[in-house]
Amino acid sequence: SAVISQKPSRDICQRGTSLTIQCQVDSQVTMMFWYRQQPGQSLTLIATANQGSEATYESGFVIDKFPISRPNLTFSTLTVSNMSPEDSSIYLCSVDVGYGYTFGSGTRLTVV
Amino acid sequence: DAKTTQPPSMDCAEGRAANLPCNHSTISGNEYVYWYRQIHSQGPQYIIHGLKNNETNEMASLIITEDRKSSTLILPHATLRDTAVYYCIVRVVNYGGSQGNLIFGKGTKLSVKP
Repeated sequence: SAVISQKPSRDICQRGTSLTIQCQVDSQVTMMFWYRQQPGQSLTLIATANQGSEATYESGFVIDKFPISRPNLTFSTLTVSNMSPEDSSIYLCSVDVGYGYTFGSGTRLTVV
Repeated sequence: DAKTTQPPSMDCAEGRAANLPCNHSTISGNEYVYWYRQIHSQGPQYIIHGLKNNETNEMASLIITEDRKSSTLILPHATLRDTAVYYCIVRVVNYGGSQGNLIFGKGTKLSVKP
């Protein structure tokens, strides 16, 4: 299975600013996924990122708010733009390793 | 929306088997049943998956009913470290083609007690 490193592990940000979360995988993968987990809630899929193409966003998520980059087969970034307190969540990166998904340990974001 | 129904919480005594049920009455022929768990403050961890046959690995067993409308995850000897939220997910798997996304429901919060 793949090993995923996510940075930062946590951050406290001012409202109106943006934060870019990095996801590094130790092997080449075709698809990478970004999830959000709001406090006390389950995981919600934000978007799917394929290398060399635009990310595919789920209903309720837009590119202007959550721009995603996928420059190569081992790396992706998710930016949370113009943050508000409602964006306070854990953001998780995951990859499909064939038999299922492997997840990073997440980025815990608090917006004040 | 998630296509599975799970009890919101369950308790289990340490050392006993934990049996976690899941209903997926609208499952399609090309949908697999996946189980993940999320220990507090960690990312979800893959446990097991299956199509129609029962499956077993070093972590757990998966029992799927013959009509595939429900399944049970069995942790044979639960420990305190198995305390987590357990998610049952159905996912389309097309070999050689596109795969369905992993969509999480609310899961079952399992508390293993000494």
